[in-house]
Amino acid sequence: AQSVTQPDIHITVSEGASLELRCNYSYGATPYLFWYVQSPGQGLQLLLKYFSGDTLVQGIKGFEAEFKRSQSSFNLRKPSVHWSDAAEYFCAVGPYSSYKLIFGSGTRLLVRP
Amino acid sequence: DAGVIQSPRHEVTEMGQEVTLRCKPISGHDYLFWYRQTMMRGLELLIYFNNNVPIDDSGMPEDRFSAKMPNASFSTLKIQPSEPRDSAVYFCASSSTPQGSGNTIYFGEGSWLTVV
Repeated sequence: AQSVTQPDIHITVSEGASLELRCNYSYGATPYLFWYVQSPGQGLQLLLKYFSGDTLVQGIKGFEAEFKRSQSSFNLRKPSVHWSDAAEYFCAVGPYSSYKLIFGSGTRLLVRP
Repeated sequence: DAGVIQSPRHEVTEMGQEVTLRCKPISGHDYLFWYRQTMMRGLELLIYFNNNVPIDDSGMPEDRFSAKMPNASFSTLKIQPSEPRDSAVYFCASSSTPQGSGNTIYFGEGSWLTVV
């Protein structure tokens, strides 16, 4: 079955600390992977996406993600977290030719001052 | 660009009433999506359109839900009659046909529906 797992419901980090949010997927075909961020009361904003090529993808707001096919993972990282990064983060997977994205359940990031 | 525009942003209605949510996609986008977000089920794709034609409505929960796209710049999602379990955030999103690096879906800010 096709699925996306974000094992951490909540993560709390101190401002300035590094961050890694985990995403594992189960997908039969070549996956097309996304990370979205949702600030409170807002819609989802695309942080980055991976389709092919370099497995380390750079996104907006200083985020990056690494695709590891052998581990079926697409973890999101940021070297130094800012208070404004507090939000909910969603990983999603889908095929290139279709728009039926499967979203993970999300990870809520809290940032300590 | 103004982005995807949804209205109303917030709606509180009584059970049994009709609810209509509206969406204006990004100009030039030929795909439009309706998603629902709840605590229990997360983000679910309800239906999507291509060139104003419904392509996949398998996510629409039941006959009380209907969606239309009369033209390229407007879509509605209607719930009739509404029930408390329909309380959720409904997102509209749009995209253009994949080119090169593939599709990117742009989301609106959502319509927060409460049915009491």
